[in-house]
Amino acid sequence: LAKTTQPISMDSYEGQEVNITCSHNNIATNDYITWYQQFPSQGPRFIIQGYKTKVTNEVASLFIPADRKSSTLSLPRVSLSDTAVYYCLVGEANQAGTALIFGKGTTLSVSS
Amino acid sequence: ETGVTQTPRHLVMGMTNKKSLKCEQHLGHNAMYWYKQSAKKPLELMFVYNFKEQTENNSVPSRFSPECPNSSHLFLHLHTLQPEDSALYLCASSLQQGAREKLFFGSGTQLSVL
Repeated sequence: LAKTTQPISMDSYEGQEVNITCSHNNIATNDYITWYQQFPSQGPRFIIQGYKTKVTNEVASLFIPADRKSSTLSLPRVSLSDTAVYYCLVGEANQAGTALIFGKGTTLSVSS
Repeated sequence: ETGVTQTPRHLVMGMTNKKSLKCEQHLGHNAMYWYKQSAKKPLELMFVYNFKEQTENNSVPSRFSPECPNSSHLFLHLHTLQPEDSALYLCASSLQQGAREKLFFGSGTQLSVL
């Protein structure tokens, strides 16, 4: 599985847009990019998944450039409740016997 | 509510005890996972079951013994644990095993080994 690199931590204020970038230089042709959110003492929660260009849902947007060597999770107008750890994972679609491996993630702290 | 329920939420045990963690999912999924999360460390994948068959054992010590009697239930049997085994143990499920599959996690069992 492709290795990912994310910033260890980020700080923001309520109402700001937050962009967390993940590098995955060795991403394979069939790999998808998935982001999870984790609050303390809880399991991670799926946020968004994409393969190329842009994906948007009710929670976030995911921007993937043409070379796919990085991706950016965009959280619009964050609130205090968005304080959490955010994980970027890459993995190959339809590869049997594969499970997602989590890295260290990015700890986002939102202040008022 | 994710549809994945773990019990107990908290567990304190001595090194000579035997206990079991239980995970149940009501999502109709066919793959189930155990992850371990120690303080300030990344999640570590421990075991994977796909259609009741164990497909991955990530070099986990034998004092951890998983059991998957059906696609809806997953157990982790614990015996003669060490203090360094204290951690949050998370269960997850997905429609089937695969890197693209969306994982649904339970709230975890916070284990303390004395």
